[in-house]
This record gives sequence, C-alpha cells and structure tokens, in this order.
Amino acid sequence: NAGVTQTPKFQVLKTGQSMTLQCAQDMNHEYMSWYRQDPGMGLRLIHYSVGAGITDQGEVPNGYNVSRSTTEDFPLRLLSAAPSQTSVYFCASSSWTDFDTGELFFGEGSRLTVL
Amino acid sequence: QQQVKQSPQSLIVQKGGISIINCAYENTAFDYFPWYQQFPGKGPALLIAIRPDVSEKKEGRFTISFNKSAKQFSLHIMDSQPGDSATYFCAAILNSGGYQKVTFGIGTKLQVIP
Repeated sequence: NAGVTQTPKFQVLKTGQSMTLQCAQDMNHEYMSWYRQDPGMGLRLIHYSVGAGITDQGEVPNGYNVSRSTTEDFPLRLLSAAPSQTSVYFCASSSWTDFDTGELFFGEGSRLTVL
Repeated sequence: QQQVKQSPQSLIVQKGGISIINCAYENTAFDYFPWYQQFPGKGPALLIAIRPDVSEKKEGRFTISFNKSAKQFSLHIMDSQPGDSATYFCAAILNSGGYQKVTFGIGTKLQVIP
C-alpha cells in the first residue's frame, strides 16, 4: 500500500524557473492538500482540493498553482521560482471519514532549493 | 496571525523522563485537536488526537491533556525513549460544510538523550 507518493524528493531550481511537484494517493481520498514546512513556521497550507475539479487557496498560495483532474493526483506548480520558495513541501490526503479523527496522511516530502 | 501557539520550540529530555509540549488556541469553534509526530526525512504522522469535550486521552506512553476553559492542550510523553526523538506538531481542526481547515503549531523538536 503506497499511500501518498511525492516526486521528486529533491530539486534544485534557478530563480525564474518553473516546475511541478507531483503528488499521487492510492487511498481514494477526496481531500488533498499541499503544505510547506519552514523552520520556526510549522506547516502552512498552500492549496487544497475537496474533490476532482475543485481546488481552493490556503494560507500561502501566492506563486503556486494547482489542479485536480483525477481523484488520485494533485500536482503543485511553481510558476516562476523565487528563493523564498525554498522549503520542504508535503502533500497530504484524507477522506471525509477521517475528518472526525483529524487524520491527514502525508507523503515523505519534496525538498526544493531555489538559487 | 498564529491561531495555534506551541511551545517550546525545542526540548531535551533524559531517557525515562517526561516530555511535555504545550499548545494554546484562540478559536473556540475548533472541532478536534490532533498531535503529529515527524521523524527526520519523513512526513508527519498522526500520533494521538482529542475532542474538546474530553479532558484527557491516553494511548500507551502518550497522553493529551485538554483544558477547554483555558483554551490549552498539552502532550505528555511518559518514560521518554531515544526513539521518541522527533518533531511534534499540535494542530487544531475546523470542519465546516465539507471543508476541513487544519492549523498547525510551529513544532517542537524533541531530543531524548540516553
């Protein structure tokens, strides 16, 4: 059971480059989200989706785009990378039944460095 | 605005000791209060969670104490072990109309020394 799979695990970009972080889950979860983790800042929500075709902004959405064409996949696009986007990115998913338990299932993260 | 305030940011405990991490929240509408554990190079994983109508929940060596009137909750790790060394995040969840908002604390890096 793979759970939540993120690729790549590591990426180095130059300022201004674009890239996509991939996230796939095999648990048929309706809810998917992207967080960034920075020292002293905890986990901050970037974008989330409550189902295929439905996305919305989180706490720190600027500079990022998302789409949700299937239940399984929720890619995060960096349009024009900036050094401030250097971070570790986590994708998470949950089902409506998990809402009652508060359980989010996280991937192992993608560490992005923008030079 | 930080809706969930977590302290301390780092904690060193001797093996066998008690680790205590505290969190405070502002929004009384939160529905659920989970704690996540994160090992280096891994994603966070749910450790234990509590509803606001319960004052304490215990699972093995891990206990959540919840004080609704003070809007505070804490994680106690009894008989702390080196394998407990990880970063711990408290969180608060708001479920509303099919939308779930999870607000995390800034995290506490726990080191348990032998």
